[in-house]
Amino acid sequence: EADIYQTPRYLVIGTGKKITLECSQTMGHDKMYWYQQDPGMELHLIHYSYGVNSTEKGDLSSESTVSRIRTEHFPLTLESARPSHTSQYLCASSEFRTSSYNEQFFGPGTRLTVL
Amino acid sequence: QKEVEQDPGPLSVPEGAIVSLNCTYSNSAFQYFMWYRQYSRKGPELLMYTYSSGNKEDGRFTAQVDKSSKYISLFIRDSQPSDSATYLCAMSDDSGGGADGLTFGKGTHLIIQP
Repeated sequence: EADIYQTPRYLVIGTGKKITLECSQTMGHDKMYWYQQDPGMELHLIHYSYGVNSTEKGDLSSESTVSRIRTEHFPLTLESARPSHTSQYLCASSEFRTSSYNEQFFGPGTRLTVL
Repeated sequence: QKEVEQDPGPLSVPEGAIVSLNCTYSNSAFQYFMWYRQYSRKGPELLMYTYSSGNKEDGRFTAQVDKSSKYISLFIRDSQPSDSATYLCAMSDDSGGGADGLTFGKGTHLIIQP
């Protein structure tokens, strides 16, 4: 059973609304990630964090922002949702060891639709 | 040219068949190679990972990496209907201690017919 949780699982919202997608993990992992996945397309990294108070942008530009105030929590916020933000958002976490491969564990995803 | 190429399928085979899934890549710096399985409405889960070239076997699954050809494969023996899912290849040029996340293929949608 995966120990990484995302809420809500599905969200339909109107243009211009502020939204926050929640991600929590109970594995004590330092590193957390947000990926964006469109149907039939690759997952793309949009944000990641090495630990508390660390946030970095990924290789895909995104208008979303993230925060990391607690180790287990990595929420993603869109200040003003637009139809172009419609996508599936996947959160992941991993340990942070430089000496070996660190498996990324994924949450179930949030499917966002902006009307 | 995308960094990772993967045929999206769908690939439909009868139950019990051997399945071959493949990815090609262009970045010679990749040294960690992963296969993830993603069921509908779920997040990806790691099936296997391989470091550098070679083979790795786990039950009915075998992963192969040929760095000289920049080609990786996943073989599924005695395929079952429960293997029906999207299979994503992913690669990384570091152990996860660096800045980058994983570079994914588009995924191959596999259907095992009972």
